[in-house]
Amino acid sequence: KTQVEQSPQSLVVRQGENCVLQCNYSVTPDNHLRWFKQDTGKGLVSLTVLVDQKDKTSNGRYSATLDKDAKHSTLHITATLLDDTATYICVVGDRGSALGRLHFGAGTQLIVIP
Amino acid sequence: DMKVTQMPRYLIKRMGENVLLECGQDMSHETMYWYRQDPGLGLQLIYISYDVDSNSEGDIPKGYRVSRKKREHFSLILDSAKTNQTSVYFCASSFENTLYFGAGTRLSVL
Repeated sequence: KTQVEQSPQSLVVRQGENCVLQCNYSVTPDNHLRWFKQDTGKGLVSLTVLVDQKDKTSNGRYSATLDKDAKHSTLHITATLLDDTATYICVVGDRGSALGRLHFGAGTQLIVIP
Repeated sequence: DMKVTQMPRYLIKRMGENVLLECGQDMSHETMYWYRQDPGLGLQLIYISYDVDSNSEGDIPKGYRVSRKKREHFSLILDSAKTNQTSVYFCASSFENTLYFGAGTRLSVL
């Protein structure tokens, strides 16, 4: 059973628009949550990590929230650029160390058009 | 510049052939991983290595084995490859709370 569900599966936005990606999970325990960006044919690059029960992070045009009570996270991208076209992957870690397991979502494919 | 390097980037093999995927990292990270990524699915853990000769099965180890004889090098071996092992394989290393991924190896088994 998939423990990390991402929505939407794919999304098309115009350059300059904002968008929100969703991640719902059932992983227990949920020590931390990461968002990764994966360009086509490339590896995953970390955007942010959320740790606290109710957490918020900001990294340039990317901002993210985590609510562990709801087991829900969002990734906001403001003023999208063409280079934001990629797959965004939500990952939940069940421990704080490398000994923990990482649970990956299938990703949201974002396409930014001119 | 911290880096995880995977070789080769693309590989085509026939069913029944042996496959060797190589991964190197220049950060002296103790923990390394092999994942596979298939369309519509999240990355699935094949094997995890905690250090030299300290390897553990992940969620889908069947049909694979690994070798870690040096900390900076982690290999994934497919003995007698099967068509359902066609996939993109990612190697990663971790330190504290940070993960570093390689660019992936796209393997096709015909």
